[in-house]
Amino acid sequence: AQRVTQPEKLLSVFKGAPVELKCNYSYSGSPELFWYVQYSRQRLQLLLRHISRESIKGFTADLNKGETSFHLKKPFAQEEDSAMYYCALQNTGGFKTIFGAGTRLFVKA
Amino acid sequence: GAGVSQSPSNKVTEKGKDVELRCDPISGHTALYWYRQSLGQGLEFLIYFQGNSAPDKSGLPSDRFSAERTGGSVSTLTIQRTQQEDSAVYLCASSAGGVQETQYFGPGTRLLVL
Repeated sequence: AQRVTQPEKLLSVFKGAPVELKCNYSYSGSPELFWYVQYSRQRLQLLLRHISRESIKGFTADLNKGETSFHLKKPFAQEEDSAMYYCALQNTGGFKTIFGAGTRLFVKA
Repeated sequence: GAGVSQSPSNKVTEKGKDVELRCDPISGHTALYWYRQSLGQGLEFLIYFQGNSAPDKSGLPSDRFSAERTGGSVSTLTIQRTQQEDSAVYLCASSAGGVQETQYFGPGTRLLVL
């Protein structure tokens, strides 16, 4: 079965500290993976996607097929990074999208 | 241009009543998705449309839930005989339609069933 697991409901770090939001997935094929973010009082929006190999707002995510993980990382957290982060999986060639339960990141001054 | 819009923004209804939730996607977007977000939970996939057809309805929780899309644009999610467990935020998203395109989300409809 397709599943996305985000083990941490809440992650609290100090400004300037590194941050890693964990995401593990279960899927039999080769999925496409995404990170979506929801800032306070804003809509859910795409942060980055694996296929683009991009870095957005200093965040990167590496797909590790052996560990079936797609952890989100940033070397120096900023207060404006405080938000709800969702990892999502979309099956290859398809549209059905499975989201994790989300991790709330709180960056303290 | 305008983003995805949803109406109503909030809906309070009594158990047993039917409700209709509306989604207006970004103009030209051929794919449209419905999700449900219950309190403290992640997004639960309900259904997606490619044009007016829904190839995958596997996420609909029960036969009380149905959705349609007309003219390749507006979509309506209907919940019949609402139950208290239907209380949630219902999110709509649209995308340009290619496989694995970015989804653009609406603000959601918060449904409360009393």
